[in-house]
Amino acid sequence: DVQLVESGGGLVQPGGSLRLSCAASGFTFSNYAMHWVRQAPGKGLEYVSAISSNGGSTYYANSVKGRFTISRDNSKNTLYLQMGSLRAEDTAVYYCARGGEDDILTGPDYWGQGILVTVSS
Amino acid sequence: NFMLTQPHSVSESPGKTVTISCTRSSGSIASNYVQWYQQRPGSSPTTVIYEDNQRPSGVPDRFSGSIDSSSNSASLTISGLKTEDEADYYCQSYDSSNHSWVFGGGTKLTVL
Repeated sequence: DVQLVESGGGLVQPGGSLRLSCAASGFTFSNYAMHWVRQAPGKGLEYVSAISSNGGSTYYANSVKGRFTISRDNSKNTLYLQMGSLRAEDTAVYYCARGGEDDILTGPDYWGQGILVTVSS
Repeated sequence: NFMLTQPHSVSESPGKTVTISCTRSSGSIASNYVQWYQQRPGSSPTTVIYEDNQRPSGVPDRFSGSIDSSSNSASLTISGLKTEDEADYYCQSYDSSNHSWVFGGGTKLTVL
């Protein structure tokens, strides 16, 4: 079974940094694009970032561009999201999600359980 | 850039059929595939429809998806409603103009 397990969330002060990780199992990680999607409390889903299967292409929502960096380690089956210059409006549950097989255009299919990031002083 | 607009909420009785719309603001709805996700309270999203009208294994055939170019919209139809279908539903599509994955605002389905 496909499993995606996020970690690294928590409380951080405005302007601070945090790195999220997503451990993948149950599929050939290196074949799939991956996504980060977030959901602010009581709000809808918001695309954050995506990365191609080999890590060669990365994409960001305008709201996080220049502050967040997506990366992956295919040898460790792990996806990362380095978040910097955090703002209160970045407070959300962050989901790791699997994209298409060798296809960056395809939307997410499997989702992790999500990890809460709270930005507050 | 485009937006996907969904009704904020819909309600229907058990056993009935409900359709949730997702209207694309600009560009053709047929340009890129539409996905639909179900999110029950306190849970992660799960895929109920991918590539406009395909059902993942394990999703009952009560769920179906379609697109309508005349209204530039996609639709999720759930027939034979069950109380367990009560959830938030989100549509999603890819915006090739700026390499982003656009989500609709979500529709809260109440089955009462």
